[in-house]
Amino acid sequence: EAGVAQSPRYKIIEKRQSVAFWCNPISGHATLYWYQQILGQGPKLLIQFQNNGVVDDSQLPKDRFSAERLKGVDSTLKIQPAKLEDSAVYLCASSLLTSYNEQFFGPGTRLTVL
Amino acid sequence: RKEVEQDPGPFNVPEGATVAFNCTYSNSASQSFFWYRQDCRKEPKLLMSVYSSGNEDGRFTAQLNRASQYISLLIRDSKLSDSATYLCVVIGRGTALIFGKGTTLSVSS
Repeated sequence: EAGVAQSPRYKIIEKRQSVAFWCNPISGHATLYWYQQILGQGPKLLIQFQNNGVVDDSQLPKDRFSAERLKGVDSTLKIQPAKLEDSAVYLCASSLLTSYNEQFFGPGTRLTVL
Repeated sequence: RKEVEQDPGPFNVPEGATVAFNCTYSNSASQSFFWYRQDCRKEPKLLMSVYSSGNEDGRFTAQLNRASQYISLLIRDSKLSDSATYLCVVIGRGTALIFGKGTTLSVSS
């Protein structure tokens, strides 16, 4: 079974630029999550989708971050404009239905903002 | 107070040692608890769920104390391959996973 796919794997940008990350979850997984993991920290949930609806985006900095999952499958996360403190690994995860099911993580996108 | 707190370590132990990690959580309404493992520069993977009755998976034993809001993970007969960061995870508000900072384990020969 294919795992969660993410691209790009690495991205280096300058502050104030914009960037987008893509995630393709495991086939059949209704729930998709985006996490931010800063070096030395545990992952922090940014947004959770159930199919194409948002379940929780309370920790998403909405002035600069946006995410969508238009057809209930793939998802994109965008940062515009980026700040130095956005340097982190952005992890996408999926699960069958809810967080009570095991979450499977993709390899992440490592973002460096200069 | 952070929602999930862990001793970051690092814990440096020889092969064959027994090591225990502790974790506390702040939300007494939390219902589900997990340990995830994260290898260096890799994604987190579920190690085991944690139940009130305690559960064991081979060399790994997880315990939950709801009264003290405390979770533990015991690793017996440590192997080199156990070297990783162990993340304590709680389902918080709604269904969001709340991760601790992680405890780093280094097993040496």
